[in-house]
Amino acid sequence: GENVEQHPSTLSVQEGDSAVIKCTYSDSASNYFPWYKQELGKGPQLIIDIRSNVGEKKDQRIAVTLNKTAKHFSLHITETQPEDSAVYFCAATLGGSYIPTFGRGTSLIVHP
Amino acid sequence: ETGVTQSPTHLIKTRGQQVTLRCSSQSGHNTVSWYQQALGQGPQFIFQYYREEENGRGNFPPRFSGLQFPNYSSELNVNALELDDSALYLCASSSASQGTDTEAFFGQGTRLTVV
Repeated sequence: GENVEQHPSTLSVQEGDSAVIKCTYSDSASNYFPWYKQELGKGPQLIIDIRSNVGEKKDQRIAVTLNKTAKHFSLHITETQPEDSAVYFCAATLGGSYIPTFGRGTSLIVHP
Repeated sequence: ETGVTQSPTHLIKTRGQQVTLRCSSQSGHNTVSWYQQALGQGPQFIFQYYREEENGRGNFPPRFSGLQFPNYSSELNVNALELDDSALYLCASSSASQGTDTEAFFGQGTRLTVV
């Protein structure tokens, strides 16, 4: 089955800095890669996603890149703010049915 | 708000008991997936229901079972509870049609504690 590795497990940045979270996946048949933000006591919230026919996608301060050859994808957050502090999860999904495999999460801490 | 609601929000059960967790999916979504999230871990896929039929199952024993109703709401049942079943249980709804899928939207979860 699919295996998703996520790094780093913890990321501490100063407000205004950029943050990058990286994930690798094992199954080349995976074709949908969502990113989720989970705040304390809440369920994961989809923040951005990318499909395998696209190399990069941007939404305001958030961007995701995908390298299908290397089987890795990354989340980039620019101009970080304290409210960006949360746990971020990447996931990889095989086509046909939405059954994602999640990474173990990255705890992002943005210091004011 | 995602439109996915779960009940109850918190629950304490004794080892060996049975529990039922409930999920109302987002309007227009026909697929419900359940996940177990242990503390400090990513969500682990339990199973998925599509139009009232089980449509995929993760590595969980048969004492984890589920149902999906005609209105696409869903239940997760766990029998013979074990201490390791203590976790946040998440429900996610999505819409599947002819092999394509929309993104999944998660509920806030049910925190189950087994003592």
